[in-house]
Amino acid sequence: DAGVIQSPRHEVTEMGQEVTLRCKPISGHDYLFWYRQTMMRGLELLIYFNNNVPIDDSGMPEDRFSAKMPNASFSTLKIQPSEPRDSAVYFCASSFPPLAGGSYEQYFGPGTRLTVT
Amino acid sequence: EDQVTQSPEALRLQEGESSSLNCSYTVSGLRGLFWYRQDPGKGPEFLFTLYSAGEEKEKERLKATLTKKESFLHITAPKPEDSATYLCAVHGSSNTGKLIFGQGTTLQVKP
Repeated sequence: DAGVIQSPRHEVTEMGQEVTLRCKPISGHDYLFWYRQTMMRGLELLIYFNNNVPIDDSGMPEDRFSAKMPNASFSTLKIQPSEPRDSAVYFCASSFPPLAGGSYEQYFGPGTRLTVT
Repeated sequence: EDQVTQSPEALRLQEGESSSLNCSYTVSGLRGLFWYRQDPGKGPEFLFTLYSAGEEKEKERLKATLTKKESFLHITAPKPEDSATYLCAVHGSSNTGKLIFGQGTTLQVKP
């Protein structure tokens, strides 16, 4: 299994530009999660999907951020316009549904390191 | 509000020197507690899930334990390749699919 695939691995852009991050989850996983990791705030959940439908987007910082999952094997996280404070590592993770009363064993991709100048 | 606090922030060990990492948590109805390992420049790698107090899980030199208030990750006779940041996360019943992560413990094992 190739694991969760993310692209690009590194992105450097100027303030005000649109940024699109991409994710391919592990085949068969029904859940997809987008996280952001910074030194100050650690790892934070931005949004997650179940069967391509957004379930909880309460972590999305503001309207400049949007995420889509057009099919079971692809998701995007878009920032428009980007700002320097968006600089972080963005991770995508996927999981099977939890067992009854259980939880989600999430498997993470390698991340996209975003730098906004 | 669900919270996770990990200690220490950083730990330096000599190869073979056993120790423990702590994860204290407050959560409304624990559905799962997770341990992840993260190497520099990589995504977190899943290690263990614990579901109830008293549960223990082992993998090579690592053993995770769980009480009602905290979890420990015991590292027995560590090797330099165990050097990484170890993250703890909880999933509470008040959060649908959301994991709350601690800030992590960065472990360095010197040969």
